[in-house]
Amino acid sequence: QVLVVQSGAEVKKPGSSVKVSCKTSGGVFSNFATSWVRQAPGQGLEWMGGIIPIFGTGHYAQNFQGRVTITADESTSTAFMELTSLRSEDTAVYYCAAGDVNWRMDYWGQGTLVTVSS
Amino acid sequence: QSVLTQPPSVSGAPGQRVTISCTGSSSNIGAGYDVHWYQVLPGTAPKLLIYGNNNRASGVPERFSGSKSGTSASLAISGLQAEDEADFYCQTYDSSLSGSVFGGGTKLTVL
Repeated sequence: QVLVVQSGAEVKKPGSSVKVSCKTSGGVFSNFATSWVRQAPGQGLEWMGGIIPIFGTGHYAQNFQGRVTITADESTSTAFMELTSLRSEDTAVYYCAAGDVNWRMDYWGQGTLVTVSS
Repeated sequence: QSVLTQPPSVSGAPGQRVTISCTGSSSNIGAGYDVHWYQVLPGTAPKLLIYGNNNRASGVPERFSGSKSGTSASLAISGLQAEDEADFYCQTYDSSLSGSVFGGGTKLTVL
């Protein structure tokens, strides 16, 4: 059984950065696509980007190009999402999800609340 | 504004059947990319419900079904139950955006 576990909640100042981790167990991490999805309060799901470790490079949604970096450490089966230049509108629950290489999201983490506030 | 259009809300009485539409374009659903559906229960992480247009994920009751035609897809829920009350999202790949996209989401209310 595949289990996805994310790092804990964060409170950040505007203009700073946040890095969220996502550890996958019970499957072949390198072959999974790991996506990052966020949900702002009262809003819908938004795909930010993802990575397929076996291929190495991150893929990013146009809305987040230049502000998000997604990486993966195959030795620990952990993916990371770093978002920079934080603003209040980035306050949201950030999810990672593992699935097939066509960005289907089979297994979801519990979510990480990131609050951006001065 | 999402490239995939869903109705903001649908409702039905227990036991009834409801459908949720997901309308895209020639760069996503119409290009042949698979559509997936997710259920988001209050206070919980999304859960894969339907994958590859019409396949139920593990443990999903047969009351849930998906279909796709042209530039649109649909999720049908029959025999509505109170515990079905949730938000539902469609998702696919968009070649113009070179990335995955979600619909805006539909809130299902069981009357």
